[in-house]
Amino acid sequence: DVKVTQSSRYLVKRTGEKVFLECVQDMDHENMFWYRQDPGLGLRLIYFSYDVKMKEKGDIPEGYSVSREKKERFSLILESASTNQTSMYLCASSWTAGDNSPLHFGNGTRLTVT
Amino acid sequence: AQSVSQHNHHVILSEAASLELGCNYSYGGTVNLFWYVQYPGQHLQLLLKYFSGDPLVKGIKGFEAEFIKSKFSFNLRKPSVQWSDTAEYFCAVNAGDSSYKLIFGSGTRLLVRP
Repeated sequence: DVKVTQSSRYLVKRTGEKVFLECVQDMDHENMFWYRQDPGLGLRLIYFSYDVKMKEKGDIPEGYSVSREKKERFSLILESASTNQTSMYLCASSWTAGDNSPLHFGNGTRLTVT
Repeated sequence: AQSVSQHNHHVILSEAASLELGCNYSYGGTVNLFWYVQYPGQHLQLLLKYFSGDPLVKGIKGFEAEFIKSKFSFNLRKPSVQWSDTAEYFCAVNAGDSSYKLIFGSGTRLLVRP
C-alpha cells in the first residue's frame, strides 16, 4: 500500500520564521503535490513536481517555495511565515505522467502561525 | 479556468436515507473526474473515478457517481447511508490534456445520525 508520510502532524511557528514541511513517499511515484486545505475553500494547489528538481506553480504559490532533490521527498518552504498561512497542509503523490492517476495523500500538517 | 462547484456544504441525514451530493465543473473538453473522501482524523482517499466509458461508475463502500456530460455534472450517490459514512467529500477534476493539476471543490461535510 502506498504510504505518504508528512514529518509533522502539528506545528506552531512565529511570524517571520522560516518553516520547512517535509513529505516522503515510498512508492517511486513521479508526481508530488502540496495543497493547503481551508474550511469552505476545499484544497488549493500550491506547487507540484513531476520529476526530481522539476517544479510547477499551482494556484496559490505566493509566499511558498519547494524543493525536490530526491524522487521520494518533496519539501514545502515558507520563507517568512505569516498568520494567513495558518492552515492544514496536505502532501500527495501519484504515479506516472498520466493525468488520470489518483492522488495518494498524507495525513496532513496543521500549521499555526502566531 | 477550470472550476469545481459543490453546492451542498453541509448535509445531515439519518441512517438508511439516500444520499446525493452535487458536483458541477466548468471545462468544455475531455475531463477526468474523481470523488475523494476524508473520514474524521484520516487522510484523503479515493472513493471513485471516471475517465471514459460507462458514465455510471461504482466505487468503494457502495458509492456510485454518474457523469452527465451535457450538464457538466458528476453527482455522488449512495442508496442507504450508514453512520460510518460521516466524512467530508470532495469532488475533483482535471482536464484530459495531460494536465497534472487536479482542481478540487470546496467539499461537503456529511453527518449521518444513528
